[in-house]
Amino acid sequence: AQSVTQPDIHITVSEGASLELRCNYSYGATPYLFWYVQSPGQGLQLLLKYFSGDTLVQGIKGFEAEFKRSQSSFNLRKPSVHWSDAAEYFCAVGARGSGGYQKVTFGTGTKLQVIP
Amino acid sequence: DGGITQSPKYLFRKEGQNVTLSCEQNLNHDAMYWYRQDPGQGLRLIYYSQIVNDFQKGDIAEGYSVSREKKESFPLTVTSAQKNPTAFYLCASRDSLNPNQPQHFGDGTRLSIL
Repeated sequence: AQSVTQPDIHITVSEGASLELRCNYSYGATPYLFWYVQSPGQGLQLLLKYFSGDTLVQGIKGFEAEFKRSQSSFNLRKPSVHWSDAAEYFCAVGARGSGGYQKVTFGTGTKLQVIP
Repeated sequence: DGGITQSPKYLFRKEGQNVTLSCEQNLNHDAMYWYRQDPGQGLRLIYYSQIVNDFQKGDIAEGYSVSREKKESFPLTVTSAQKNPTAFYLCASRDSLNPNQPQHFGDGTRLSIL
């Protein structure tokens, strides 16, 4: 079974600073990988996904993530954080099967605080 | 606009009562999912359905039930057997015929015990 670890529960960055959120996964083959963002009391919005091909993935809102097979990681990055980026971020992994993936396992999330 | 609608946004349950959370999607997606979210625990899968009239238990199905009578609807019932129902519940759907499509989420229902 797959699993996801987000080692940082909370991260605080200054507005304009760069950001990297860590995600490590456990899965025996190349997984489907996702990053979602959640504002308080809201559902999850997809930031980006990796299925195959180029290991550097561009997403919405200026985010990117890099799939590193050797490190089993899929870290999320943004060069300059805006106050509106304050939210909770979830990494997720889907196991490959027939028809793509069926079940997705989520990490426990990283809460991002942005200070002026 | 296509999307997923969850209702109600807030729900209160009395002891011994069953309550049903609604999830409707107009995205024409085959697969639908229910997750429970608790602080610090991320999302945990309760049930999922890949086609009409079929569904599978997820990781924490005890105390919950679902039905999938229509493609666009996947209601979740929280039964009195669920002793700790207070949580944020999220419904999601996916076009399972396209392997590269992500899950799309509704805005959630927050369930509390009176």
